[in-house]
Amino acid sequence: AQTVTQSQPEMSVQEAETVTLSCTYDTSESNYYLFWYKQPPSRQMILVIRQEAYKQQNATENRFSVNFQKAAKSFSLKISDSQLGDTAMYFCAFVSTGGFKTIFGAGTRLFVKA
Amino acid sequence: GAVVSQHPSWVICKSGTSVKIECRSLDFQATTMFWYRQFPKQSLMLMATSNEGSKATYEQGVEKDKFLINHASLTLSTLTVTSAHPEDSSFYICSATGTGGSNTEAFFGQGTRLTVV
Repeated sequence: AQTVTQSQPEMSVQEAETVTLSCTYDTSESNYYLFWYKQPPSRQMILVIRQEAYKQQNATENRFSVNFQKAAKSFSLKISDSQLGDTAMYFCAFVSTGGFKTIFGAGTRLFVKA
Repeated sequence: GAVVSQHPSWVICKSGTSVKIECRSLDFQATTMFWYRQFPKQSLMLMATSNEGSKATYEQGVEKDKFLINHASLTLSTLTVTSAHPEDSSFYICSATGTGGSNTEAFFGQGTRLTVV
């Protein structure tokens, strides 16, 4: 069974600085998808970034980028130039290509301080 | 991205009554819908997976007679909490995958906060 581990329950960062959120996962599959979701206080789940396992290039979306290390089964999220609106719960998630069930990590609560 | 609408956003009901929560895909056909429960400051716990026209698959420990799921069309799934009790109070979220978009990326509803008094 697949598992997703986020070892940082809470993190804080100063506005305009950079922060990295960690995520590791376990799977025996060779092809799958990884996601980072943001859940602000409104509790609406928002997709931040996605990565296909067969792509070696790390995904980037504006201030958000990932460091995908397939052999190490690591998928960290880097947020550059942090903004107050980035304050939220962040979930790392795994989806296999064979099944569509999303496996979520426990989440990391990020606080951006002014 | 695709839009999933969940209704109601919040509901308060009396203990012993039933509550229905709707999840609609507005601009795509949702072949698969998922229902999650989220406790405060915790992750999303998958309750069940439903495919259009077939019975839902429930996760271990989830009472299927208590949490009735219906996925009668490609745009609508409903979760009915039957004979609700205060311990059923929680935040419920649906998501959907399907045609017209990625079949691996899940699109989430806004969530429903259920309070049973």
